[in-house]
Amino acid sequence: SQQGEEDPQALSIQEGENATMNCSYKTSINNLQWYRQNSGRGLVHLILIRSNEREKHSGRLRVTLDTSKKSSSLLITASRAADTASYFCATVPPNDYKLSFGAGTTVTVRA
Amino acid sequence: GAGVSQSPSNKVTEKGKDVELRCDPISGHTALYWYRQSLGQGLEFLIYFQGNSAPDKSGLPSDRFSAERTGGSVSTLTIQRTQQEDSAVYLCASSLVLSLETQYFGPGTRLLVL
Repeated sequence: SQQGEEDPQALSIQEGENATMNCSYKTSINNLQWYRQNSGRGLVHLILIRSNEREKHSGRLRVTLDTSKKSSSLLITASRAADTASYFCATVPPNDYKLSFGAGTTVTVRA
Repeated sequence: GAGVSQSPSNKVTEKGKDVELRCDPISGHTALYWYRQSLGQGLEFLIYFQGNSAPDKSGLPSDRFSAERTGGSVSTLTIQRTQQEDSAVYLCASSLVLSLETQYFGPGTRLLVL
């Protein structure tokens, strides 16, 4: 079963615009991770944020985490056509090693 | 190798046949994970290995599914008497140690059961 819900399910933006997607989860976590998937194949790890962190940056990516609301957001700034992909959040519960994935957000960046 | 590799890339089989899916983790990674991605269920955890041991098999969907790992490296996921609902992409990941950190994913095996 899936732990997270992602919003929106799909997002279409113009190149250069920012893309924001949200993830909500149900149980306590040790950390939350964001992954990208191109063409329904392998997942690429983007960023990990721990439960005691509130914000993290990596290049054009910015992730926030609000454990009181059990939610996270991923912001991609200055989007490029190559950012077209599906983005998944995944949570890791305390004392466990399984990733529980959300349903994903499909992002299309138009040139 | 440079990354996690999986074989075959694609597999088409007939209902009732057995299939074996292979995963080669990143060299030196002691932890290995299997996930399944299907249209109806999204991405779901199946099983993980620490070395050759799989402490938690509760994610396997039925007793037709089994997995093993030998020599702390290659892992095989076996599905017996395949059903159409087994059609999915099977993803393998590995990490340096069994930890709460990043898992590195392979390209997946796309299984179609006719």
